[in-house]
Amino acid sequence: GNSVTQMEGPVTLSEEAFLTINCTYTATGYPSLFWYVQYPGEGLQLLLKATKADDKGSNKGFEATYRKETTSFHLEKGSVQVSDSAVYFCALNRPGSARQLTFGSGTQLTVLP
Amino acid sequence: ETGVTQSPTHLIKTRGQQVTLRCSSQSGHNTVSWYQQALGQGPQFIFQYYREEENGRGNFPPRFSGLQFPNYSSELNVNALELDDSALYLCASSLEGSNSPLYFGNGTRLTVT
Repeated sequence: GNSVTQMEGPVTLSEEAFLTINCTYTATGYPSLFWYVQYPGEGLQLLLKATKADDKGSNKGFEATYRKETTSFHLEKGSVQVSDSAVYFCALNRPGSARQLTFGSGTQLTVLP
Repeated sequence: ETGVTQSPTHLIKTRGQQVTLRCSSQSGHNTVSWYQQALGQGPQFIFQYYREEENGRGNFPPRFSGLQFPNYSSELNVNALELDDSALYLCASSLEGSNSPLYFGNGTRLTVT
């Protein structure tokens, strides 16, 4: 079946540090891949997505590249801000149904000033 | 446009009771999905409704049931509550189409004692 494995947290960084959150997946077919962010007390917001191999999703300074050969979709940001503190979830869709997402367990990011 | 709204925000029930959670879709969205997010975990797909019919279901028992109404709002019903049902329940709406993103509500926090 489909599964997503995320880097264990929590991750604590200083402002302006470089961020990488690792994500690998197992899936049948060719899923689309997503990163969602959850701020305290809120629901999930789509951060970025990639729908096929070698696609790069980007938004708000975050990037992730769909690597089929390594089944990975690592999230990166060159310079984090305090406002980036949140829980980040990697997810994939079930092929044939873009809205039935399989999520990883989430990575808590705290950015200190 | 209005976002996805869920009610109530918090709920406490006793084991064995029944509960109904409600969700109003974002304006114009005809597809609704429900997810269960246990503490410290990623969301797990419960089921999805499109045009008032269930058209996808995750690995949840039949005591989890739902409805979608003509205005695309939705309910999640859980019978015979168990302690392990304690979680954040998230509703997400979207437009028809595989590239349409999910828009999540802030969730209902259910505690079963």
